[in-house]
Amino acid sequence: KQEVTQIPAALSVPEGENLVLNCSFTDSAIYNLQWFRQDPGKGLTSLLLIQSSQREQTSGRLNASLDKSSGRSTLYIAASQPGDSATYLCATLGGQGNLIFGKGTKLSVKP
Amino acid sequence: DGGITQSPKYLFRKEGQNVTLSCEQNLNHDAMYWYRQDPGQGLRLIYYSQIVNDFQKGDIAEGYSVSREKKESFPLTVTSAQKNPTAFYLCASSISRAETQYFGPGTRLLVL
Repeated sequence: KQEVTQIPAALSVPEGENLVLNCSFTDSAIYNLQWFRQDPGKGLTSLLLIQSSQREQTSGRLNASLDKSSGRSTLYIAASQPGDSATYLCATLGGQGNLIFGKGTKLSVKP
Repeated sequence: DGGITQSPKYLFRKEGQNVTLSCEQNLNHDAMYWYRQDPGQGLRLIYYSQIVNDFQKGDIAEGYSVSREKKESFPLTVTSAQKNPTAFYLCASSISRAETQYFGPGTRLLVL
């Protein structure tokens, strides 16, 4: 059964810092991996989707990488801003077509 | 505006009562999903539907029921059999199960 782990559970950084969020998964047989953002009390916003055949995806200041063989993905945020403060969730899509979510990393960017 | 709407934002349930959470989308998506989120936990799949008049159980379907009579709508009923219903409920939709899922704003269910 797929398990998705996100480390660290919480992260606090000063504004302007570059940072990396980590996601690991136990079953490498995935169709894709997705990164989401969740603000307190809100729904999820899709940030990036990486297909299993891809190594990375970029959107603005965000870059996500995927290494299926090692069961890892990273989300890189460049030049962090206070508006980036949120919980970031990763999820894998497997053969049964279900998204399996990690518990998230709560990011706080201090002005 | 295209998107997914959920109502109500907050819902209170009395002991032994069934309650229904609404989810509507105008994105013309075939697939729709219901997730439950507990504090400090990842999302867990309750039910999903790939097409009208068809739905499948997810990982935690016990105590819940759904219907998919229209493409745009996927209501979730929390029955009295669900003994711990307090949670944040999120609905999502996608073009197909392999594509990006788009989420609604959520409904917070509380027990009186």
